[in-house]
Amino acid sequence: DPKIIQKPKYLVAVTGSEKILICEQYLGHNAMYWYRQSAKKPLEFMFSYSYQKLMDNQTASSRFQPQSSKKNHLDLQITALKPDDSATYFCASSQESDFYAEQFFGPGTRLTVL
Amino acid sequence: QQKVQQSPESLTVSEGAMASLNCTFSDGTSNNFRWYRQHSAKGLEVLVSIFSDGEKEEGRFTAHLNRANLHVSLHIREPQPSDSAVYLCAVSFNTGNYKYVFGAGTRLKVIA
Repeated sequence: DPKIIQKPKYLVAVTGSEKILICEQYLGHNAMYWYRQSAKKPLEFMFSYSYQKLMDNQTASSRFQPQSSKKNHLDLQITALKPDDSATYFCASSQESDFYAEQFFGPGTRLTVL
Repeated sequence: QQKVQQSPESLTVSEGAMASLNCTFSDGTSNNFRWYRQHSAKGLEVLVSIFSDGEKEEGRFTAHLNRANLHVSLHIREPQPSDSAVYLCAVSFNTGNYKYVFGAGTRLKVIA
């Protein structure tokens, strides 16, 4: 059974629209993360949450807003979508947000913005 | 700014031959290094984690860390065609947060 669920697997959106990417983890972890992987750049860190609190934000744009309604959920809302937002977005989690914590990754949501 | 660079960009090896992948990083105080494998259209699978200089083996995968040389490598023993994938090096830098910085990856192809 998958331990980190990301929905949807594929998503197509039009420029200017808004989408929410869903992430749920069933590993009992207390820390969750979002990463982005585009065709032009390596996998890059976006956000980290620990016990549902924002720990780090490396995303310059406020169009990206994480939302944690439950301890094991960390959704990503993206507004005013642009073609450059096209990428695969990976959710990850770890037991705690400490230096040696193993981060486990979900299967990703591939977003295409037309 | 922390940087992680991988080489080669792509590598083709014959089944059963050793495959060696390289990763260099910009900060010698980093303590946390991981190798991930990514099959097409799939998530990341952690292969081996290493925290101190030397060698760490996990099955057919061995990581070598030399922090003084800012270098960590991955060696795959007896690779199979099913090992064909993109291999990513991830480094956690000692900056007070716990994000991983990833290299661009090495695309490995194992031919029978």
